[in-house]
Amino acid sequence: RKEVEQDPGPFNVPEGATVAFNCTYSNSASQSFFWYRQDCRKEPKLLMSVYSSGNEDGRFTAQLNRASQYISLLIRDSKLSDSATYLCVVNHGGSQGNLIFGKGTKLSVKP
Amino acid sequence: DAGVIQSPRHEVTEMGQEVTLRCKPISGHNSLFWYRQTMMRGLELLIYFNNNVPIDDSGMPEDRFSAKMPNASFSTLKIQPSEPRDSAVYFCASRRVGGQAFYGYTFGSGTRLTVV
Repeated sequence: RKEVEQDPGPFNVPEGATVAFNCTYSNSASQSFFWYRQDCRKEPKLLMSVYSSGNEDGRFTAQLNRASQYISLLIRDSKLSDSATYLCVVNHGGSQGNLIFGKGTKLSVKP
Repeated sequence: DAGVIQSPRHEVTEMGQEVTLRCKPISGHNSLFWYRQTMMRGLELLIYFNNNVPIDDSGMPEDRFSAKMPNASFSTLKIQPSEPRDSAVYFCASRRVGGQAFYGYTFGSGTRLTVV
């Protein structure tokens, strides 16, 4: 089983739609979780951290279910500029460790 | 803040040649990571350093790959000899390590390597 698994997509949605991405991770000892965004031919950039209680940043909501080892990202009122690949990311090795990246879910928002 | 700086941005080389990729982390960041990204395998960790010391190099594909971090502001990833299957985008990232908190990475713009 891969350490971080995501549906590769692509998700093709119209502007204004709500879209949800899911991710599962295999290491139950992981303690930090993130969503990164990667635009075509660019570097990944931190979108948001994911906290146990769930957290929201504008149109973006992240949820964590430790029991199921499951992470989600919800995007409401999607914009053309949201088109990108979204990477689910999990830490490995505690605060001194490194990040394990999923292969990403590609989102395309159409007019 | 200049961010993580990688050079070169693009490299095209012939099979068998030596390739050296360079990275300057963000000042004050004490952890540095080298990743490789391909369509097939996504982002793979090659090696990372904490306080200039290599911590985990289990992702380095084989002896043709080597990485150094001689000081806190500079790291290199060397491939010798290069092969076509090494073609990928190589990212360097840095972050601050301290206490119990886990801080996210900042990535450089990457080096797009093509070995022909």
